[in-house]
Amino acid sequence: RKEVEQDPGPFNVPEGATVAFNCTYSNSASQSFFWYRQDCRKEPKLLMSVYSSGNEDGRFTAQLNRASQYISLLIRDSKLSDSATYLCVVINNNDMRFGAGTRLTVKP
Amino acid sequence: ETGVTQTPRHLVMGMTNKKSLKCEQHLGHNAMYWYKQSAKKPLELMFVYNFKEQTENNSVPSRFSPECPNSSHLFLHLHTLQPEDSALYLCASSRGGTNEKLFFGSGTQLSVL
Repeated sequence: RKEVEQDPGPFNVPEGATVAFNCTYSNSASQSFFWYRQDCRKEPKLLMSVYSSGNEDGRFTAQLNRASQYISLLIRDSKLSDSATYLCVVINNNDMRFGAGTRLTVKP
Repeated sequence: ETGVTQTPRHLVMGMTNKKSLKCEQHLGHNAMYWYKQSAKKPLELMFVYNFKEQTENNSVPSRFSPECPNSSHLFLHLHTLQPEDSALYLCASSRGGTNEKLFFGSGTQLSVL
């Protein structure tokens, strides 16, 4: 089993749709979790941290489920500009593991 | 602008060439990293420097040689690369504490012919 797994997609959704991605991890001792966004041929950029209590930033909501060992990212009212690859990151004692990313395309 | 700058943005080199990638961070961070990103694969950590000391070498072939002269600058020296080394090479920095988030440079897209 991979240490961090993501559905590669692609997810193709219309503008205004709600879309959710999951990211599962194998190390139950993992301590910190992040979502990054990467546009084509560009560097990953931090989208949001994932807290145990869940957190929301505008149209984006991130949640952590320790019991089932996954994190999720929910995007509401998706925009064309949300088209990108979303990478999850799982960290344990500075050992940082990236998922391979989920590709999202938002269409008009 | 993330505060981490990488040069060059693109590099094409032959298998016998020697070249260097440069990274500079303007964030006052103490840790710097080299990652390799190949198509459809997760980012692969290559090297980590904390306070200029190399703290991780992730079984990287010796044809990749990092150099960190100070906590703001990081180099990756390349020699006798193979075509399978073609990838996006990303530099990143962090504050250097435990489980800190990374800030990435824009990357160098490397093609080895």
